[in-house]
Amino acid sequence: QVQLEQSGAEVRKPGSSVKVACKASGGTFITYSISWLRQAPGQGFEWMGKVVPILNRTHYAQNFQGRLTITADKSTSTAYMELSSLRSEDTAVYFCARGEFSVFDPWGQGTLVTVSS
Amino acid sequence: QSVLTQPPSVSAAPGQKVTISCSGSSSNIGNNYVSWYQQLPGTAPKLLIYENNKRPSGIPDRFSGSKSGTSATLGITGLQTGDEADYYCGTWDSSLSAGVFGGGTKRTVL
Repeated sequence: QVQLEQSGAEVRKPGSSVKVACKASGGTFITYSISWLRQAPGQGFEWMGKVVPILNRTHYAQNFQGRLTITADKSTSTAYMELSSLRSEDTAVYFCARGEFSVFDPWGQGTLVTVSS
Repeated sequence: QSVLTQPPSVSAAPGQKVTISCSGSSSNIGNNYVSWYQQLPGTAPKLLIYENNKRPSGIPDRFSGSKSGTSATLGITGLQTGDEADYYCGTWDSSLSAGVFGGGTKRTVL
């Protein structure tokens, strides 16, 4: 049974970058896609993009093109999400999840990223 | 503004049935599978339904899903207080080439 463990909460200033880690354990990592999604306070989910570790291939949502980089380290079964040029609207809980399209299971516990001057 | 439309809240008494709707368009629900998620307060979402009407192992058959045209519905029977949560529908949008979600429906107990 795959479990996803995310890195801890981050506070960043506007204009800076943040990198969040998602480590998989208990199952196969490289053959599944890992997606990143975020949830702003009191809002629904926004799909950001995905990585397919076995192919090292990524796909990003249009809203994040140019600001988002998703990578995967097969040797440590860890996926990373890096978001740059942060603004206050990027304050949200960021989740990693195994899967793609609309099927995401399981999810990581979430990482709160706060962007504030 | 979410791509998919859900009612903000639904209420029902324990033991009763409730349905939650999710409305989209031909570029998303109309031509792609729909999933449903349950999010308890302060926790990560849990997959309840995938491919419109399939339940992952461990999800009780009190939860059901259906799809017709550009709309989908989640049904919950035998409501329990532990079902108080936010429910989200999600699918792929072929025009946006991105996953899309509803704004969520808060299910409360009367």
